[in-house]
Amino acid sequence: EAGVVQSPRYKIIEKKQPVAFWCNPISGHNTLYWYLQNLGQGPELLIRYENEEAVDDSQLPKDRFSAERLKGVDSTLKIQPAELGDSAVYLCASSPGTGAQETQYFGPGTRLLVL
Amino acid sequence: AQSVTQLDSHVSVSEGTPVLLRCNYSSSYSPSLFWYVQHPNKGLQLLLKYTSAATLVKGINGFEAEFKKSETSFHLTKPSAHMSDAAEYFCVVSEQGGSEKLVFGKGTKLTVNP
Repeated sequence: EAGVVQSPRYKIIEKKQPVAFWCNPISGHNTLYWYLQNLGQGPELLIRYENEEAVDDSQLPKDRFSAERLKGVDSTLKIQPAELGDSAVYLCASSPGTGAQETQYFGPGTRLLVL
Repeated sequence: AQSVTQLDSHVSVSEGTPVLLRCNYSSSYSPSLFWYVQHPNKGLQLLLKYTSAATLVKGINGFEAEFKKSETSFHLTKPSAHMSDAAEYFCVVSEQGGSEKLVFGKGTKLTVNP
């Protein structure tokens, strides 16, 4: 069974430029998550989707970040414009359902460097 | 709100000796607790999870953890370290009946010396 797929794996951009990350969850997983992981820290949730609906986006900086999950499968996370402080690893995860006991399956992440 | 404290940012052991990674949690509801491992340039992988069944939880690769409510702890152990265990380990809590989102600790980097 294929795991969570993310692309690109690495991205280097200049500040003020836009950038987008793509995620393909495990087949059949209805719930999709985007996390931000700063260096030396644990991941922090940015947004959670149940099918097409964003059910928790309280931690998403909406002035520059946006996300979508068309058709309830793949998802895209966008930053426009990027700032130096956005340099981090962006992780995508998926799970079969929702709830505190659900196991989340993580992709390898996209490492972003903003110059 | 729930929170997690990993008591050691770095742990160094010799191959073949026991591993202990310490984790304390705070939760207003019944917690679910997880340990994830992250190898360099790899995705986070679930080692084990506690979801209010048996308090001693066995996971993959010989790891286990014990849920102690009185001590609000969920320490990760392994009897004998292997070189391949070198990685970053994250203790994670979520709340049944609460926000249900995962809250990660800051991680413990495990080094295994030959």
